Amino acid sequence: DSGVTQTPKHLITATGQRVTLRCSPRSGDLSVYWYQQSLDQGLQFLIQYYNGEERAKGNILERFSAQQFPDLHSELNLSSLELGDSALYFCASSAPKNTGELFFGEGSRLTVL
Amino acid sequence: GDSVTQMEGPVTLSEEAFLTINCTYTATGYPSLFWYVQYPGEGLQLLLKATKADDKGSNKGFEATYRKETTSFHLEKGSVQVSDSAVYFCALSDWGDMRFGAGTRLTVKP
Repeated sequence: DSGVTQTPKHLITATGQRVTLRCSPRSGDLSVYWYQQSLDQGLQFLIQYYNGEERAKGNILERFSAQQFPDLHSELNLSSLELGDSALYFCASSAPKNTGELFFGEGSRLTVL
Repeated sequence: GDSVTQMEGPVTLSEEAFLTINCTYTATGYPSLFWYVQYPGEGLQLLLKATKADDKGSNKGFEATYRKETTSFHLEKGSVQVSDSAVYFCALSDWGDMRFGAGTRLTVKP
């Protein structure tokens, strides 16, 4: 158990819909990262937050947004969903003295029909 | 920008065979290098790491050496087990920005 909690574990929805994925980092970790893992594109970095502020942005679509709340949990919002958004979405957190190690949740599997 | 390239899979080996998964990197600074492993149905977890040139990371029989001259961090294990079947990701971190390779799926057959 990494200490990172993601909900929901599985989600099935239709094209055009909007979903919210939630992540609770390990106790004491200030950084939260979001990654998308699809079969053909490996692990893609989406966005990073540090103590409530956006720190780095990767290949995140404009239809996607994220935020980190004062209690340090984070949400990833995916809107106007397309079939190609079907993937496993991982959240990870890291310690304040970032040694580079990330602790991953078990992921949220999104299926868009 | 910084990036990681690892050998494409899938890789299928028999139990007790020798494993090598190649990883090379491109970075402007002096990154830390990592190998993460993803077992079926689970998230990624750190397998080993090295923070500077010539460092060797090791864990669970796996080893990788940070080679600055060849910009490589190849993963090796002398004798794989069925339980090593997983997807392996090479990664680098420079100033906290973690970049992953595409992953290599390893299947070990009894």
